[in-house]
Amino acid sequence: AQTVTQSQPEMSVQEAETVTLSCTYDTSENNYYLFWYKQPPSRQMILVIRQEAYKQQNATENRFSVNFQKAAKSFSLKISDSQLGDTAMYFCAFMKSTDYGGSQGNLIFGKGTKLSVKP
Amino acid sequence: ETGVTQSPTHLIKTRGQQVTLRCSSQSGHNTVSWYQQALGQGPQFIFQYYREEENGRGNFPPRFSGLQFPNYSSELNVNALELDDSALYLCASSRTVQSTEAFFGQGTRLTVV
Repeated sequence: AQTVTQSQPEMSVQEAETVTLSCTYDTSENNYYLFWYKQPPSRQMILVIRQEAYKQQNATENRFSVNFQKAAKSFSLKISDSQLGDTAMYFCAFMKSTDYGGSQGNLIFGKGTKLSVKP
Repeated sequence: ETGVTQSPTHLIKTRGQQVTLRCSSQSGHNTVSWYQQALGQGPQFIFQYYREEENGRGNFPPRFSGLQFPNYSSELNVNALELDDSALYLCASSRTVQSTEAFFGQGTRLTVV
């Protein structure tokens, strides 16, 4: 069975600064995807960034980037130039994939990190 | 906005009652997954429907059941409600069962008293 662990229940950062959220996971699978989702007070889960396990290059989406360490089973999210709108719960998630890159199951989420961006 | 809509947004039920939650998937999507998010926790997978058939189930008892309709909208039914069923229920639609991107609705907050 796969597990996802987020060890930081809450974090805060000053506006315009950089913050890193941690995530570790456990799996015996070779093919999988990792995700970071954002859940603002509106409750709707929004995909922030996705990483394919077979890709060594770390994914980047504008101010959001990941540090994917496959051997260590670590997947951290770095938010640069933090903005007030980044205040939300952030969830790390795992999904098995097929040999051809498609989904092979559901998302498995961590417990989340509550991020507060202060002015 | 993801195009996935859930109804109702909030409801309160009494222990032992039954409840039906609804999800309208994004246009062009044929796969719907349901998740339960208890307070302070991450979402947990309940089940997935693909082309009107159940296509995977998490560790939830049979009193959690679902349906998917020909237009790919979906229902989650919970019988014999228990206090621990109080949670946010999230619906996510995907273009197809092999898609890795899921689009979530805003959820239904269920309170069981």
